[in-house]
Amino acid sequence: EADIYQTPRYLVIGTGKKITLECSQTMGHDKMYWYQQDPGMELHLIHYSYGVNSTEKGDLSSESTVSRIRTEHFPLTLESARPSHTSQYLCASSEPGTTYPYEQYFGPGTRLTVT
Amino acid sequence: AQKITQTQPGMFVQEKEAVTLDCTYDTSDQSYGLFWYKQPSSGEMIFLIYQGSYDEQNATEGRYSLNFQKARKSANLVISASQLGDSAMYFCAMRIPGSARQLTFGSGTQLTVLP
Repeated sequence: EADIYQTPRYLVIGTGKKITLECSQTMGHDKMYWYQQDPGMELHLIHYSYGVNSTEKGDLSSESTVSRIRTEHFPLTLESARPSHTSQYLCASSEPGTTYPYEQYFGPGTRLTVT
Repeated sequence: AQKITQTQPGMFVQEKEAVTLDCTYDTSDQSYGLFWYKQPSSGEMIFLIYQGSYDEQNATEGRYSLNFQKARKSANLVISASQLGDSAMYFCAMRIPGSARQLTFGSGTQLTVLP
């Protein structure tokens, strides 16, 4: 059973607001990821982290930022939300403590709507 | 660059019948991994099955099997004895070589199981 949590599950917010999407895992995984997914479309990696104090940008350019101060916590922040940020955001984690093939465990996602 | 192609946006199958979801991939790496995930309407991603590029036998997990044809660069998912609960989006993904173990996803196939 994967223990990875995301809050909020749903968020409707006005343009220009600052938002933080929370992601926490209790599995001690070093690697964590943020994906963006439009409805019915593929997932695009926007950020990932190897471990504490390490973050990298993914394949899809994003105006969001992330931080990794604690192993279990990987929040994503948008300084000024825009309607183009409307999407689902999925957090995932992997390793160590899992066996081969080291699949990624996903949280339930946050569905963000910017009005 | 790695690429995953899923050419079936939607598929229908009768309950209790088998269905094959197509996935082709493109990579110049010799070592890679292929994953299938299920995404119900609730949004979370559920890991189903994995095939490593050096695995000689096709992977199987319960009702799921992976028809891996390396020369054709295809990794089709076969679901036997479909159930109503199998209705969901199905994503094929490739793990990019590297220490962060990122995944590249296909565009997905929406499977609907008919009673």
